[in-house]
Amino acid sequence: GAVVSQHPSWVICKSGTSVKIECRSLDFQATTMFWYRQFPKQSLMLMATSNEGSKATYEQGVEKDKFLINHASLTLSTLTVTSAHPEDSSFYICSAGRDGYTFGSGTRLTVV
Amino acid sequence: SQKIEQNSEALNIQEGKTATLTCNYTNYSPAYLQWYRQDPGRGPVFLLLIRENEKEKRKERLKVTFDTTLKQSLFHITASQPADSATYLCALLSGNTGKLIFGQGTTLQVKP
Repeated sequence: GAVVSQHPSWVICKSGTSVKIECRSLDFQATTMFWYRQFPKQSLMLMATSNEGSKATYEQGVEKDKFLINHASLTLSTLTVTSAHPEDSSFYICSAGRDGYTFGSGTRLTVV
Repeated sequence: SQKIEQNSEALNIQEGKTATLTCNYTNYSPAYLQWYRQDPGRGPVFLLLIRENEKEKRKERLKVTFDTTLKQSLFHITASQPADSATYLCALLSGNTGKLIFGQGTTLQVKP
């Protein structure tokens, strides 16, 4: 079945630094991928839709200059959290596919 | 406003019983609705999809119903097992954008 690999699974960074998270579709091509954020005991909130070869579309309230998305190939999308602050600490998850979406295993970001 | 709601209170049941989880939505006309399982610190795993013209869908011990008049989906796990303990999320497709909107999830605890 479809597999989406997300890396790293966890990362701790200092405030003010940038962190890159990778999302790969391992056995299928994904022209579209989705990035979510999930705070403890809350649901997944869609941040942006990543489109291969074009700009990502961001949900209302999500800063595109802070959360940089690059979808340079049909199997890879990256999310870079720039100038991270403690309030950016969260669980970030990507997904791809149609109908039944396949999710990555998530990245736990802690900004200290 | 558009809302998708699940019972935020945890559901505790005895092993062997049937667990029933509820998902209600307002101001959406989804073409289909999905159910996912999420374990702590992991990404969601797709379980079932039910389309608007389907009343019921089954997969092994899982059953989903979809009532577009009531704007409600029910998710049943029969002969529940402790291994079924997890958070279950419902999600629906918003328009034709491919964006999934998630409920906040219901945590199920099956006690031996």
